[in-house]
Amino acid sequence: GAVVSQHPSRVICKSGTSVKIECRSLDFQATTMFWYRQFPKQSLMLMATSNEGSKATYEQGVEKDKFLINHASLTLSTLTVTSAHPEDSSFYICSARGVTGANYGYTFGSGTRLTVV
Amino acid sequence: AQSVTQLDSQVPVFEEAPVELRCNYSSSVSVYLFWYVQYPNQGLQLLLKYLSGSTLVKGINGFEAEFNKSQTSFHLRKPSVHISDTAEYFCAVSDSWNTGNQFYFGTGTSLTVIP
Repeated sequence: GAVVSQHPSRVICKSGTSVKIECRSLDFQATTMFWYRQFPKQSLMLMATSNEGSKATYEQGVEKDKFLINHASLTLSTLTVTSAHPEDSSFYICSARGVTGANYGYTFGSGTRLTVV
Repeated sequence: AQSVTQLDSQVPVFEEAPVELRCNYSSSVSVYLFWYVQYPNQGLQLLLKYLSGSTLVKGINGFEAEFNKSQTSFHLRKPSVHISDTAEYFCAVSDSWNTGNQFYFGTGTSLTVIP
């Protein structure tokens, strides 16, 4: 079945530094990947949609210069949180959309717990 | 615009008892409906989905849900819960399955199974 690997699962960084989160579709090609943010005891909020080879589409209120998204291949999308601050601490989850056969549908990564100190 | 309402934020239930987690949606177009489960510090795992066809959908771990168009509901049920079912459950809706549109998630229901 469709598997999405997200790395790292947990990261702690100092305020002002940048953090990169990777999302890989392991056994299918994902033309579209989504990045979500989840605050404690809240639902998932879509941050941006990325299509392979093109610029990401950001949701209203999400700073594109702060949350850099790259989708350079059909199996990899990255989210870089630049100049992280404590308020960026959250759980970030990616999902990838497969379009053929058994991989048809949306598969979520296991999430990344970011803590900025 | 679409939205999803999960009426119960927390549902405690005793082990081996039945459970129903409620989900209502609003949409002016055809919908595709999903239930996901999230264990602590993990991503979302698909329990089941309704795309078309039979309104009663069976998923993994003994869960099932029924799509009721007239009531715009997609409630999740399990006849006998286990301790391992303790988790957060999210209902989601999408108006398109194959054009890359986003999902709209409910606020989640925390299911706690009491021994």
